[in-house]
Amino acid sequence: KNEVEQSPQNLTAQEGEFITINCSYSVGISALHWLQQHPGGGIVSLFMLSSGKKKHGRLIATINIQEKHSSLHITASHPRDSAVYICAVNSGNTPLVFGKGTRLSVIA
Amino acid sequence: GAGVSQSPRYKVAKRGQDVALRCDPISGHVSLFWYQQALGQGPEFLTYFQNEAQLDKSGLPSDRFFAERPEGSVSTLKIQRTQQEDSAVYLCASSSQNSWTNEKLFFGSGTQLSVL
Repeated sequence: KNEVEQSPQNLTAQEGEFITINCSYSVGISALHWLQQHPGGGIVSLFMLSSGKKKHGRLIATINIQEKHSSLHITASHPRDSAVYICAVNSGNTPLVFGKGTRLSVIA
Repeated sequence: GAGVSQSPRYKVAKRGQDVALRCDPISGHVSLFWYQQALGQGPEFLTYFQNEAQLDKSGLPSDRFFAERPEGSVSTLKIQRTQQEDSAVYLCASSSQNSWTNEKLFFGSGTQLSVL
């Protein structure tokens, strides 16, 4: 089973700061997902990556397949970005394996 | 509906009671997944349906857990003789794609189950 590790576990930032959340995994994958979970449980899919880089608004996700590592960046952070960010991976026809999440708090 | 709907939102059960959790996926979505999320942890896979076929139930923790999707739309997760360790948020997700690797997964808000 793939092991997914995220860092940091908790992160507090000032509004406007550039934020990086890291994800590493142990076994080769077919796809990596970044998800956002708000209090109350709702999860939103942000990105699915299999190589390179994707950008959506202030969010950027990158993946390095050789190093088995992905990063999620948030530029010009805002209090509404406060949430838990979860990394999850697929390895072929197997269920998603999730990390424990990074709890982000952005303070005005 | 506009999104994935789960009911009830909260469920309190006495130990030993049977519970049924419902998931209404987005209309027309082929794939449906159930996950269990313990406090402070990431979701853990329970089971996967492609239409009405349950393709994988390897994540169900015991034979007390049973899931069905008889008409390929609404799904029910049933837990018999609930135990305290069953307390968790149960999440449902659906996708229009019929594969394990889904570009876009849509999640419900979950059912928070507390077993006393």
